[in-house]
Amino acid sequence: GDSVTQMEGPVTLSEEAFLTINCTYTATGYPSLFWYVQYPGEGLQLLLKATKADDKGSNKGFEATYRKETTSFHLEKGSVQVSDSAVYFCALLPGGGSYIPTFGRGTSLIVHP
Amino acid sequence: DTAVSQTPKYLVTQMGNDKSIKCEQNLGHDTMYWYKQDSKKFLKIMFSYNNKELIINETVPNRFSPKSPDKAHLNLHINSLELGDSAVYFCASSQDRGGKSYNEQFFGPGTRLTVL
Repeated sequence: GDSVTQMEGPVTLSEEAFLTINCTYTATGYPSLFWYVQYPGEGLQLLLKATKADDKGSNKGFEATYRKETTSFHLEKGSVQVSDSAVYFCALLPGGGSYIPTFGRGTSLIVHP
Repeated sequence: DTAVSQTPKYLVTQMGNDKSIKCEQNLGHDTMYWYKQDSKKFLKIMFSYNNKELIINETVPNRFSPKSPDKAHLNLHINSLELGDSAVYFCASSQDRGGKSYNEQFFGPGTRLTVL
């Protein structure tokens, strides 16, 4: 079956540091890929997405590129802020019309001033 | 304008009780979901439901049942609550465009259930 693997957290960084959160996936067909963010005490919200190979999703300074050859969708940000502290989830939607997503286990990011 | 809303936000109850959590979405979406998030933030899909079908995660105990009075609502009913049911429950919705599977999910704020 489909699966999503994320690096374990917590990831602890100082403000303005560079962020990478790794995400790799296993899926049949051509999935769409997503990053969701969950701030403390809230529900998940979409951060960015990519629907086909080599697409780059971006939002709020975060970026991720859909790499079919390495089955990866790593999340990056050049300069993190304290307000980026949250849990980040990588997810996929399989191709073929299925609307049941597969989520990774989440990676907690803690940014210190 | 809250897109996906849940009530209550907090629910504290005794073992053995029956409780319901309500969910409403005003996005006009045709698919709704229930997720359980444990203390380690692991997100597990419990149900997905649209006009055509209910898909149940086979690992979900049959004490849990979704009830959809209409397209905009999907409530979660739990019978005979157990300690292990303590978690945060999230409702979500998405638009299934019949063959186009790129649609993101919109999540509610969550209901923190504590079973004593």
